Amino acid sequence: DIQMTQSPSTLSASVGDRVTITCRASQSMRSWLAWYQQKPGKAPKVLIYDASNLESGVPSRFSGSGSGTEFTLTISSLQPEDFATYYCQQYDSYLTFGQGTKVEIK
Amino acid sequence: QLQLQESGPGLVKPSEALSLTCTVSGGSISSDYWGWIRQSPGKGLEWIGSIYYIGSSYHNPSLKSRVTVFVDASKKSFSLKLSSVTAADSAVYYCARHRGNSWYTDFQHWGQGTLVTVSA
Repeated sequence: DIQMTQSPSTLSASVGDRVTITCRASQSMRSWLAWYQQKPGKAPKVLIYDASNLESGVPSRFSGSGSGTEFTLTISSLQPEDFATYYCQQYDSYLTFGQGTKVEIK
Repeated sequence: QLQLQESGPGLVKPSEALSLTCTVSGGSISSDYWGWIRQSPGKGLEWIGSIYYIGSSYHNPSLKSRVTVFVDASKKSFSLKLSSVTAADSAVYYCARHRGNSWYTDFQHWGQGTLVTVSA
């Protein structure tokens, strides 16, 4: 299995900040990676798939990039509704998720 | 609009089997892959298994032979059975639909999740 390690585990930021979350794979993989946003008591919601494709209906302030073993999710200007937990998921070898990054209000 | 709804017991005794069903509405169950994911405080999000509408199934190797996933296309539903449960299997269980025509993809649509507790 490919293990996914996210950093940081918690991120404190303010509205308007540029935020970057990193997901590192335990081995080099194809760009078969998704990013999800989860709010308390809700199911995860996909934001990005295939590393850089924006899901329909997701604001353009979200973007994904990366290849090989390092992938990033960037929020260009953090909005109040973006405070949540974010997960990466790889689907190159079986399916595994990162442990999550909580974005909290600074 | 596609909707998925999990159903099943919220409490299961240790060593017994956990059984959940996901009912699909607002869309077809055909030509798609469907999956089960769980989330617990200790282990985060964990993929359990996935199934194609005609019955081909795939599961997380770490759960070994405890997982069975099956589909009933006539009822627009698919189900999970996890045998010999322990407290470590306590989690919120989600059903979801894979993107595209493969199980090697992300999960595009999710159910709301159902909490299952394993306790005597």
